[in-house]
Amino acid sequence: GAGVSQSPRYKVAKRGQDVALRCDPISGHVSLFWYQQALGQGPEFLTYFQNEAQLDKSGLPSDRFFAERPEGSVSTLKIQRTQQEDSAVYLCASSLAFRLAGNKGEQFFGPGTRLTVL
Amino acid sequence: DAKTTQPNSMESNEEEPVHLPCNHSTISGTDYIHWYRQLPSQGPEYVIHGLTSNVNNRMASLAIAEDRKSSTLILHRATLRDAAVYYCIPRTGTASKLTFGTGTRLQVTL
Repeated sequence: GAGVSQSPRYKVAKRGQDVALRCDPISGHVSLFWYQQALGQGPEFLTYFQNEAQLDKSGLPSDRFFAERPEGSVSTLKIQRTQQEDSAVYLCASSLAFRLAGNKGEQFFGPGTRLTVL
Repeated sequence: DAKTTQPNSMESNEEEPVHLPCNHSTISGTDYIHWYRQLPSQGPEYVIHGLTSNVNNRMASLAIAEDRKSSTLILHRATLRDAAVYYCIPRTGTASKLTFGTGTRLQVTL
């Protein structure tokens, strides 16, 4: 079946450019997470949506980072005025509604978008 | 979030069992212990999770210490496809974020 997809897979931006990264979660998954993974490190949490509501954005590193999920399905992570330190792999994950019986809270990850800021 | 300690790297021969340890001495009583792995150039994938009892699934087994301060992920017969970074993650609830550490990089050789 279709898993989580992300686009583009690779993005090269010049410093100062704005970028938009897209995530298509598994159909029917209520929860959606964004993570940032620097080279050689584990993924770090950025933000969390339950349907269209952004319930936690505590991991966003600056106000240049903005995420949305307007219809509770596809999500976009936008980075304004990119800096070299934004270079990383951006991972999206989705999971079932947490109240669903038997849900073990497994997060299904996409392949990520590798962002390189020159 | 509970702090975890894992070896940076481990090696195994193919077809042999692998025991991947994790210390999580500050884990709370209600945190589940989740394990994820990340194959090269892929997003992480769920492996197994447990609370107190040992758990088995088709991928692996999870042995949890009686005091819950440590756990061990067991791959019964490592294959080349098991080469990945393995993350041990104490987690509160099923809706919460995952807090990854640096994990253990497992190398599997012929």
